[in-house]
Amino acid sequence: AQSVTQLDSHVSVSEGTPVLLRCNYSSSYSPSLFWYVQHPNKGLQLLLKYTSAATLVKGINGFEAEFKKSETSFHLTKPSAHMSDAAEYFCVVSEGVNFGNEKLTFGTGTRLTIIP
Amino acid sequence: GAGVSQSPRYKVAKRGQDVALRCDPISGHVSLFWYQQALGQGPEFLTYFQNEAQLDKSGLPSDRFFAERPEGSVSTLKIQRTQQEDSAVYLCASSAEMGARTKQFFGPGTRLTVL
Repeated sequence: AQSVTQLDSHVSVSEGTPVLLRCNYSSSYSPSLFWYVQHPNKGLQLLLKYTSAATLVKGINGFEAEFKKSETSFHLTKPSAHMSDAAEYFCVVSEGVNFGNEKLTFGTGTRLTIIP
Repeated sequence: GAGVSQSPRYKVAKRGQDVALRCDPISGHVSLFWYQQALGQGPEFLTYFQNEAQLDKSGLPSDRFFAERPEGSVSTLKIQRTQQEDSAVYLCASSAEMGARTKQFFGPGTRLTVL
């Protein structure tokens, strides 16, 4: 069975400082991992995804995440926060044993607040 | 081009009423997904269509929930005899490729409130 744990429900950082959103996963098979962002009154948007290629994944808007199998982690980082980064972030796992059996399992989300 | 659209955006139903929620995916997208997002939680998978075929409905919480995509484009999620616990945001997503590991484009959701 697959699951994902987002270790912080809320994170606040000052504008221009680094962002770290933590995620640990559990999967019986080689997982695919994603980060999605949800801005208020907007649809979820894919930030980046890992699918067993390079362990350091670069996404949109300067975000990146590193897949660490030994730590079962997939933390999201950004060197310098911008006001527009304020949103809800979801870590997502998908393990597919058979094609078509690849549902996404979302974490409970981390709300990122940017302090001016 | 237009993204995924959902209607209505807000729906208030009395307990016991039937509701129908519509999803218009991006044109040409073969995969369509429905999710339920309770307040303060992450989305939870409900069902998956590949074109008109419903390949996975394991996430539907009860037989009161029914989804269809008869022509492989527009999809409708129907909830019969709504209960208060059905109150949530219902999200639809579509993808140009097959399977859940592809890039999914999400609609804005329908917020259902059952009184």
